[in-house]
Amino acid sequence: GQQVMQIPQYQHVQEGEDFTTYCNSSTTLSNIQWYKQRPGGHPVFLIQLVKSGEVKKQKRLTFQFGEAKKNSSLHITATQTTDVGTYFCAGGSSNTGKLIFGQGTTLQVKP
Amino acid sequence: KAGVTQTPRYLIKTRGQQVTLSCSPISGHRSVSWYQQTPGQGLQFLFEYFSETQRNKGNFPGRFSGRQFSNSRSEMNVSTLELGDSALYLCASSTSSPYEQYFGPGTRLTVT
Repeated sequence: GQQVMQIPQYQHVQEGEDFTTYCNSSTTLSNIQWYKQRPGGHPVFLIQLVKSGEVKKQKRLTFQFGEAKKNSSLHITATQTTDVGTYFCAGGSSNTGKLIFGQGTTLQVKP
Repeated sequence: KAGVTQTPRYLIKTRGQQVTLSCSPISGHRSVSWYQQTPGQGLQFLFEYFSETQRNKGNFPGRFSGRQFSNSRSEMNVSTLELGDSALYLCASSTSSPYEQYFGPGTRLTVT
């Protein structure tokens, strides 16, 4: 079945360093979504990408969707302590209506 | 618009009992999905309901069931609880799947 793999599982960075998490699907996706879950909270929708090769930015966050629509990345420039949390990607299939979540990357930022 | 609400927020049950969790989606959202979250296991998809019909199902045993009502509110039931069912159960609503989902705060279930 469809699988979405996300790496790394954990990342510890010094405040001010950059951070990237990667997401890979075993099948072509119709869209990719990113969510952030703060410690003790619930996942919050960040963004959705639908076009091949699409790049979107939200302040210090840059999201990319691969040309083959099978992979994606989230890059955070100059991390801050407010960036702490777990980032999930979720791959959608318009054929099945399924949204499959990756395992998440937990980011720790040392001040 | 009010967000997704889940009740109860916390629950303690004994092995062998059953439990029903409730989710009220954002007004106008017809899709409700349920997820189980445990440390180290990420978000495990349980099932998705759309207009009262189960549209997708994850790989969970038949002890896990759900339903959706005509007002889009959804319930999830777990029968014959096991210790391993202790988890945060999240529901998420959307206009349809697989589009952006809005999560509720979750129900923390502890099975003793």
